[in-house]
Formats: sequence, C-alpha cells, structure tokens
Amino acid sequence: QVKLVQSGAEVKKPGASVRVSCKVSGYTLTKISMHWVRQGPGKGLEWMGGFDREAGETFYAQSFQGRVTMTEDTSADTAYMELNSLRSDDTAVYYCARNGNFDFWGQGTLVTVAS
Amino acid sequence: QSVLTQPPSASGTPGQRVTISCSGSSSNIGSNTVNWHRQFPGTAPKLLIYTNDQRPSGVPDRISGSKSGTSASLAISGLQSEDEADYYCASWDDSLNGWVFGGGTKLTVL
Repeated sequence: QVKLVQSGAEVKKPGASVRVSCKVSGYTLTKISMHWVRQGPGKGLEWMGGFDREAGETFYAQSFQGRVTMTEDTSADTAYMELNSLRSDDTAVYYCARNGNFDFWGQGTLVTVAS
Repeated sequence: QSVLTQPPSASGTPGQRVTISCSGSSSNIGSNTVNWHRQFPGTAPKLLIYTNDQRPSGVPDRISGSKSGTSASLAISGLQSEDEADYYCASWDDSLNGWVFGGGTKLTVL
C-alpha cells in the first residue's frame, strides 16, 4: 500500500524559508514523479511544481519560479520542497502527490507565516 | 482566477444525479486528459477519475467522467450524503507547461 507521509506543521516569520518533506512507503521514490500542491485557507488547489522522472527534469509553476526548490533523497525515499522568502500569503497546507495523476496524496503540512 | 472554470457550488437530493462541469481551453483540456479529485473538509484530496473517464480501484461506478472538446464533466448518480465534498478538475496546460486546477465545486446533498 503506497503511503506518502509528510513532516509536521511549521510556523515561520516573513522572509524565512521552509522545507517540507514527504517520505514514501510501500513503494520506491525512484519510480515516482513527485509533485507539490498547496491550498490556502478556504481556497482551491494550486500546483507548485513536480519532477518528471522520465525527462529527468523538475518543472516549477511560473508563480513560484526562483522561490521554490524541489529535491529528493532516493536513499531515504524522501522528497523535499523548500520555499524561500516566505510571505503571509504563503500560509497554506502543502501536499505532496504521486505522479501526474496525483493518484496518492500526502496528509498535508500546514505552514503558517506570521510575524 | 483559476485556469479551469468550475461552478462554485452544486446540489442535489439523495438518489438524484448531479453533474459538475469544468471548462478550459485548447492548451489544456482541449489537448490533454482530465482528472477529478474529491476533498472532504480537513483532509487531503483523493483521485476520483483519471484520463477523462477512468475510475481508480475502489471508486464506485455511479461516479463517471467525460470530456468533449475543451470541457469535461463529472457525474454522480444515486447521490448519497457521503458525496458531500469539494470536487476539483485538473489538466496539464501546454502553454503554462504545468498542471492547472479548477477553482473547485462544493457539492451539497440537500
């Protein structure tokens, strides 16, 4: 059974960085293209970017270009999403999701940005 | 504003059939497949339909998807109280080179 388990909630100050992890169990990360999606309070889903395993390339949404970095540690079956220069409107739940169909989702990580 | 357009709300009574629309353009739905996700409050989304009309294992056949041109639809027949949730469509956009979502539709079972 595939499971994506994310790191715990974070509280950050404006201008800081946050790194969220997503550990894969029941499967191997090297067979997955991991994507990241966020959801602001009371808002819809927003794709941030993802790794295309076949192309060997990471794609980022234009609105996050230059501010987000997605990496992975295949030895630990763990993917990471780091978002820099945090603003109050980055307060959201951040999800990792498997493959382009987003067929499995992590449980979500609440990131709160407040002074 | 979301790239894909969904009605913000939909409703029906138990046993009824409801449909939720998702409108896009030639760069997304018009040239790529559509997925649908369901989300209950406070929980992660779950894949409901992929590749326009395919159901993952465990999704009942009273839930179906379709696509025509630059629009897609999700249909739920035999509506049940547990169908009350938010529904999102998603598709790859060739112009944006990324995934795009609809704004979500809140389904209420009256």
